[in-house]
Amino acid sequence: DADVTQTPRNRITKTGKRIMLECSQTKGHDRMYWYRQDPGLGLRLIYYSFDVKDINKGEISDGYSVSRQAQAKFSLSLESAIPNQTALYFCATSRSSGAIGDTQYFGPGTRLTVL
Amino acid sequence: QKEVEQNSGPLSVPEGAIASLNCTYSDRGSQSFFWYRQYSGKSPELIMSIYSNGDKEDGRFTAQLNKASQYVSLLIRDSQPSDSATYLCAVKADRGSTLGRLYFGRGTQLTVWP
Repeated sequence: DADVTQTPRNRITKTGKRIMLECSQTKGHDRMYWYRQDPGLGLRLIYYSFDVKDINKGEISDGYSVSRQAQAKFSLSLESAIPNQTALYFCATSRSSGAIGDTQYFGPGTRLTVL
Repeated sequence: QKEVEQNSGPLSVPEGAIASLNCTYSDRGSQSFFWYRQYSGKSPELIMSIYSNGDKEDGRFTAQLNKASQYVSLLIRDSQPSDSATYLCAVKADRGSTLGRLYFGRGTQLTVWP
């Protein structure tokens, strides 16, 4: 079984709809992240959470919200989807020590299309 | 804002050649550097990490780090068509309020032709 899972894997929705993307992990990591990826723009950080009670905005949080339901679960919501939120979304996890060498491990991604 | 710049590519090399991917970064305090490989439509996969100046070899891959020049590179020897992917350079913030965050370059697309 995959260590980091994302659901759904693909989603097509309409402008104005509320969408939730879910991420679960069995790696036992405290830290979780949401990124979006657009062609030519690389990975951009939306939100990150260092533990259940610690949630922080990334570079592009406008139009998104998150919920950390448990150590293993981190959800991303689009309250009112718009077409420029069409992208590939990745969840990632890492250990909490912040030690040199600790890095992030990615889920398989969710391809979201907003019409 | 911590910057990570990669050679823009795309990079195209023949099978069996050496592919050289480069990355520069702005945060002098960073101690951890990573290379991820990403196939089209797939998630980034960690392939190399390096923390000390010099070279680190793992099979056909060699990562090189020069902290004084704020430069990290990835060499792929005996390139294979299966190496065709986008390679992402990532630099970790090892101090300050963003401790533990990764900063990514935009990636370099590599094509290895038979």
